[in-house]
Parts: sequence; structure tokens; C-alpha cells
Amino acid sequence: EPEVTQTPSHQVTQMGQEVILRCVPISNHLYFYWYRQILGQKVEFLVSFYNNEISEKSEIFDDQFSVERPDGSNFTLKIRSTKLEDSAMYFCASSEAFGQGTQYFGPGTRLTVL
Amino acid sequence: GQQLNQSPQSMFIQEGEDVSMNCTSSSIFNTWLWYKQDPGEGPVLLIALYKAGELTSNGRLTAQFGITRKDSFLNISASIPSDVGIYFCAGHTQGGSEKLVFGKGTKLTVNP
Repeated sequence: EPEVTQTPSHQVTQMGQEVILRCVPISNHLYFYWYRQILGQKVEFLVSFYNNEISEKSEIFDDQFSVERPDGSNFTLKIRSTKLEDSAMYFCASSEAFGQGTQYFGPGTRLTVL
Repeated sequence: GQQLNQSPQSMFIQEGEDVSMNCTSSSIFNTWLWYKQDPGEGPVLLIALYKAGELTSNGRLTAQFGITRKDSFLNISASIPSDVGIYFCAGHTQGGSEKLVFGKGTKLTVNP
């Protein structure tokens, strides 16, 4: 069964460093998303991406965040200058259908900012 | 903003028991989705609901989309130890937003 994959599974970085989290969405899906989950809390939406541009973003997704689809299979989330409070699980998701389609999640990247 | 109130927060049950959990909101939702999350893993889709009143089963799981479009429940029958995990409800609100709004989760513990 097709699934969303994410790398790395765990990333440790120093405060102020840039990190890039990578995702390979399900191959026939057109809509891509990033969510984050701070330890013990609920999953929160960051951004949605379609047709090579951001279609929606939350207030969490400020100027230090960016997303890119650098080729036909990868979807990345870049955090330019990490802060301690960026420590969280970051989940990529994808969906096939337009707009409010069912989203399938990857296994996540645990980001630890020291 | 849109909030999903999920209850109960946690449940401790014996293997073989049935389980029920629900989500409510003051806002109308266009879809309801139920996910299960194991520790250190991503949410895994269990059931997706698209129409008010819809009742859908997936093995021992049954979920319904409330008629008012403001609530949903998930039932698990004859629980087994591998049902342990955190169950999240999530949904899309009116207005066409693509973001999924998540509940805070129900942590299920099954004692063998």
C-alpha cells in the first residue's frame, strides 16, 4: 500500500541552525501538507501546498518557515533559524482529492533543538 | 478559532470490552476523520466520514458523522491489546479550508 515517507526520523540541531525536513508524498497525490505536534499536545496545521505554491498557512508558519517541491517526488520543510520552541514532531501529509480530501500522514520527523 | 472537544481524555479497559469516544464542536464540520497514533509514529487513518448521518465500519471500528455536523463518535468493539494508542478525531470546517483541525486525543489502555 502506498505511503508517505519522511527523512530523517530524528534530527538534532543547535538553536539558530537551519534544518530541512524531507517528505515523499504518495505518488499520485497532488496536495501536500505539513503539521507539527509538540510533545503531548494535539497535531497542528502548518501549511498546505498545491501546484507549486502555498495554498494555505497557519499563524505558526511565519517567515522562518518555507516549503518547496524541488523535484517530482520530494516535498521539503525548511526552518531557517531554529528556536528551542521548534522542538516537535513534524508530520508530512498528502491527499489526492481537491480541497478537503482525506489526508494520509507520514511517520514524522522528531526535531530536537538544543 | 475552530475547536474540537474530544472525550474522554483517557480510558483504561479490559481486553474484550467495547469502547466509545466522541468529538464535539461548536462549529460545523464538512468531514470527520478518525486517526490512531502509536508512540513516536504518525497518525494512521482509521475511518473517514463525508456526509452528515453517515455511519461507517472498518472491522471492529464504527464511526458516525453527526446529523448536526458538529459531532462524531468512534466505537471499538471487543478490544484487543493492540488497540492501545491515542485516537484523534479531526475534521475540515466549513469554508473550504484545507487544514485538518485535530482534537486533543483519547489515550486508550487495554489490560489483557
